[in-house]
Amino acid sequence: QVQLQESGPGLVKPSGTLSLTCAVSGGSISSSNWWSWIRQPPGKGLEWIGEIYHSGSTNYNPSLKSRVTISVDKSKNQFSLKLSSVTAADTAVYYCAITTPYYYYYYMDVWGKGTTVTVSS
Amino acid sequence: SSELTQDPAVSVALGQTVRITCQGDSLRSYYASWYQQKPGQAPVLVIYGKNNRPSGIPDRFSGSSSGNTASLTITGAQAEDEADYYCNSRDSSGNHGVFGTGTKVTVL
Repeated sequence: QVQLQESGPGLVKPSGTLSLTCAVSGGSISSSNWWSWIRQPPGKGLEWIGEIYHSGSTNYNPSLKSRVTISVDKSKNQFSLKLSSVTAADTAVYYCAITTPYYYYYYMDVWGKGTTVTVSS
Repeated sequence: SSELTQDPAVSVALGQTVRITCQGDSLRSYYASWYQQKPGQAPVLVIYGKNNRPSGIPDRFSGSSSGNTASLTITGAQAEDEADYYCNSRDSSGNHGVFGTGTKVTVL
């Protein structure tokens, strides 16, 4: 059973860069899946941030595209999220997940437990 | 449009049936997947594709789709089904994911 574990600083200063890593265990990041990031501000709904394939191909939420970079490190079997120029609005629980594509549907069947990131000085 | 709209909240009596809907143009091209989220926990996949349940999800959960609307039905709701439910799909281009606005289900 594949498992995911997010890690990174829990506090980031305004205008700084949020950096998180998702470690993959029990499976290979080179499998035929997309590796995704999702976030959830306090008391609000889920927001899709973006995804990466092991080849390095990426898709980003258009509303965040100018600030987001997702990368993959095959040697460490992990993928990462960087979000620049953060503000208090970026305070959220950040989740990584596996997105499985299948013809006319995609689904996220494995999620990390999530990590809380607060943007504050 | 890349938006998926859900009713904010619904309630259901214990043992009764509740349907949660998700509306969006992209649902004419892609099936939705559905996630259950309890307070302080990560979302859990409950339905994907036309009407598929992951291992361990009770068969009281079912999914359907018609036109621009996807539905999640809980038949015989249990107290443990009280949670937030989110639909998810792709936008019309297929290149971006999108979540619904979420529905809070209360079991009375």
